[in-house]
Amino acid sequence: DAEITQSPRHKITETGRQVTLACHQTWNHNNMFWYRQDLGHGLRLIHYSYGVQDTNKGEVSDGYSVSRSNTEDLPLTLESAASSQTSVYFCASSESGSNQPQHFGDGTRLSIL
Amino acid sequence: AQKITQTQPGMFVQEKEAVTLDCTYDTSDQSYGLFWYKQPSSGEMIFLIYQGSYDEQNATEGRYSLNFQKARKSANLVISASQLGDSAMYFCAMRDLQGGYNKLIFGAGTRLAVHP
Repeated sequence: DAEITQSPRHKITETGRQVTLACHQTWNHNNMFWYRQDLGHGLRLIHYSYGVQDTNKGEVSDGYSVSRSNTEDLPLTLESAASSQTSVYFCASSESGSNQPQHFGDGTRLSIL
Repeated sequence: AQKITQTQPGMFVQEKEAVTLDCTYDTSDQSYGLFWYKQPSSGEMIFLIYQGSYDEQNATEGRYSLNFQKARKSANLVISASQLGDSAMYFCAMRDLQGGYNKLIFGAGTRLAVHP
């Protein structure tokens, strides 16, 4: 069965360090997304990609970057981790098509001390 | 700018009863889509139901139905015959067409507790 996998599931790091969260999907979807989830805010879009070599900034992109070198992977990098980036991060993918739901990974809980 | 509002931070319902979770939206677009997701305590996001703005009938998926009132800009989720496993966070989301389609804007969510 097709799936979307995030790793690691949990990570603790220190402020100022670079952190990369992995996202791998086997749906062969062109569209991929990164969200962060914080209490009271629902999910907020960080970055998204509509295909290889395409990346776009979302609502809360400051301090984050992504790259899309193939269809399956969209890694999220925190260039210099800050305590405000402590959150749960979700990766999602979808088919192209306005009525297509996004399929989510199980999330990564990131704590920055 | 598009916006999703879920006014109920928490709801509870007795097992086997129906419950309605509210969602209102704000958009100037004529074509849009609304999604509901469930997030159980284990954390994963599960897609439940979709309603397109031009769909003539309210969407239904098993025990889930969407009470879509376009003039009032509301898309309430109705869960019939609640089960203990329905206890979870529920998120309403809207497709954001600005700058490209299929981005989603989420509401803050409603936590539903089903009591035996």
